[in-house]
This record gives sequence, structure tokens and C-alpha cells, in this order.
Amino acid sequence: EAGVAQSPRYKIIEKRQSVAFWCNPISGHATLYWYQQILGQGPKLLIQFQNNGVVDDSQLPKDRFSAERLKGVDSTLKIQPAKLEDSAVYLCASSLEGGGAQRHEQYFGPGTRLTVT
Amino acid sequence: GENVEQHPSTLSVQEGDSAVIKCTYSDSASNYFPWYKQELGKRPQLIIDIRSNVGEKKDQRIAVTLNKTAKHFSLHITETQPEDSAVYFCAASYYGQNFVFGPGTRLSVLP
Repeated sequence: EAGVAQSPRYKIIEKRQSVAFWCNPISGHATLYWYQQILGQGPKLLIQFQNNGVVDDSQLPKDRFSAERLKGVDSTLKIQPAKLEDSAVYLCASSLEGGGAQRHEQYFGPGTRLTVT
Repeated sequence: GENVEQHPSTLSVQEGDSAVIKCTYSDSASNYFPWYKQELGKRPQLIIDIRSNVGEKKDQRIAVTLNKTAKHFSLHITETQPEDSAVYFCAASYYGQNFVFGPGTRLSVLP
């Protein structure tokens, strides 16, 4: 089965610019997660969708970050405007979880490495 | 909210020896505890997980134990090999929501 796809793989922008990341989860996976992983740290959950509804966005900096999952499949994460401290790898993950199925196993995409200068 | 601590931050073992990494969590409601292996520049990969209704789970050379009373869980790797060298992350979750990751343990297996 195909894995989680993300694009772009790398992005370099200047501070105050905007950037968008795209994620395509594993087919049939109801739940999609966006994480921020700063170098040397564990992934930090930004937002979790189940189908096209938001389950948890408590750690999403909503003044500059936004995410959507239209039609319950692909998702985009946007940063506008970017700050230096946003430099990190942005990981997307998906799981079967949803519709009563207790399948919490997350499968991660390759990530997008963002550098803000 | 949930807080996950992980120890040690770095661990070096000789090839063939065992490695143990321990995590503690703060929220007693958490009931799903996965472990991920992340090689340099790669994505995290799930290696084993445990649910709160189970005390131990094994998969070949890897095992995880859970102590709900003490709110800690541990990863055990036996007969370590150089390819086990990576950063290992534990995480805690409530029914697949609110995942909180530990800060990671860098394991080096010396030949």
C-alpha cells in the first residue's frame, strides 16, 4: 500500500513570507495529524482531523498557522507570516482511527523541512 | 495536559547487549503508548505499541512494559545490533487523540 505523501520536501523562505504544505494520507485512513518537529526534539502535535472535522488544534498557533482537510482526504497546512522559530520539519501522519475502529497506529510521511531566514 | 518524560537522553551499548529506555507520563487517562524509531533524516516509524489493558508486549527482540500505577512504560531491546542505532521516541495518547511525544533517546550500538 502507498504511504503518506507530502510535498514539498524542502522549502526555504524569508521571515514574514507565507508557505503551504500538502499531505495525502494513506487511502482509507480517517484521521490525519500535522506535527512540528524542531531539530533535536520530539514531534509536537499541531492539529488532528478526523475525516474533515478538527478533533484537536489546541497547540496550533492560530494567529499564523491554519490547516484544512477538505473532503476528508488531502490536507494543507499554511503559515502566514513565517517567523524564524518556525524552522522545523513538518510531519504529516495518518491512522485508521475513526468510525468506531480503535486503530491508533500512526504512519508518518517523509516530512517537509522548512528553513526560515 | 499530558507531559511525557523520557530517560536517558543518550544511551550507548555494546553490540549484543540489551538497551532499556523509560518514559513516564502524567495523565492517568492516557491509554495508548507507542514507540517510534527515527533514523537520521528519516520519518518516525512505529516499532511497537501497548494499550493500557496490557502489561507487556513482545515482538522478536523488542518488548514494551507498562506500569499504570506508576505511570511509566519502558522499551526493551535485546541482542542489540548496529542497525538499532537511532533516536527512539515514546508517546502517550488518549484513544488516539492528544498524542504527546517524549524528547527522545539517542541510542548508539557500538560494534
